[in-house]
Amino acid sequence: KQEVTQIPAALSVPEGENLVLNCSFTDSAIYNLQWFRQDPGKGLTSLLLIQSSQREQTSGRLNASLDKSSGRSTLYIAASQPGDSATYLCAVENSGYALNFGKGTSLLVTP
Amino acid sequence: GAGVSQSPRYKVAKRGQDVALRCDPISGHVSLFWYQQALGQGPEFLTYFQNEAQLDKSGLPSDRFFAERPEGSVSTLKIQRTQQEDSAVYLCASSPRTGNSYEQYFGPGTRLTVT
Repeated sequence: KQEVTQIPAALSVPEGENLVLNCSFTDSAIYNLQWFRQDPGKGLTSLLLIQSSQREQTSGRLNASLDKSSGRSTLYIAASQPGDSATYLCAVENSGYALNFGKGTSLLVTP
Repeated sequence: GAGVSQSPRYKVAKRGQDVALRCDPISGHVSLFWYQQALGQGPEFLTYFQNEAQLDKSGLPSDRFFAERPEGSVSTLKIQRTQQEDSAVYLCASSPRTGNSYEQYFGPGTRLTVT
């Protein structure tokens, strides 16, 4: 069974810092990997999707990388802002549909 | 365009009651998913529909859970004889794809509290 681990579980940084969130998975036979953002009491917002054949994806201040062979992905957030405060979830797709999620990293960016 | 919508947003049920949770996917999306998210955890897969066909229900925790999508659009997740361990947020997602991976678009969820 695919196991997805996210480190750290929680992170607090001052505004303006660059930061890295980590995700690891045990089964490298994946279709894709997705990073989501979840605000309290809200659903999930997709941030970036990396296909298994890709190494990275970028959107604005966000950059996600994928190393399938080592079972790792990182989400890099540049010049963090208080509005980035949320829980960030990593999910991998093995079967062609169901996503396997990590427990998330809770990020707090302080002014 | 409208995203995935779910109703009700909040539901409080007494133990033993039946509940029905509704999901309206994005129009035209073929695939529909239900996930369960316990407090402090990531979402866990429950079931998957392709149009009206339920192709995988391996994540449903017990036979008290039942999902349907009779016309290939709106879906309902029904929980019979609710238990306290059913308390969670139930998330619905839809996707336009039928083959290789596409993004899943999530609704806001229904928070179920069983007292």
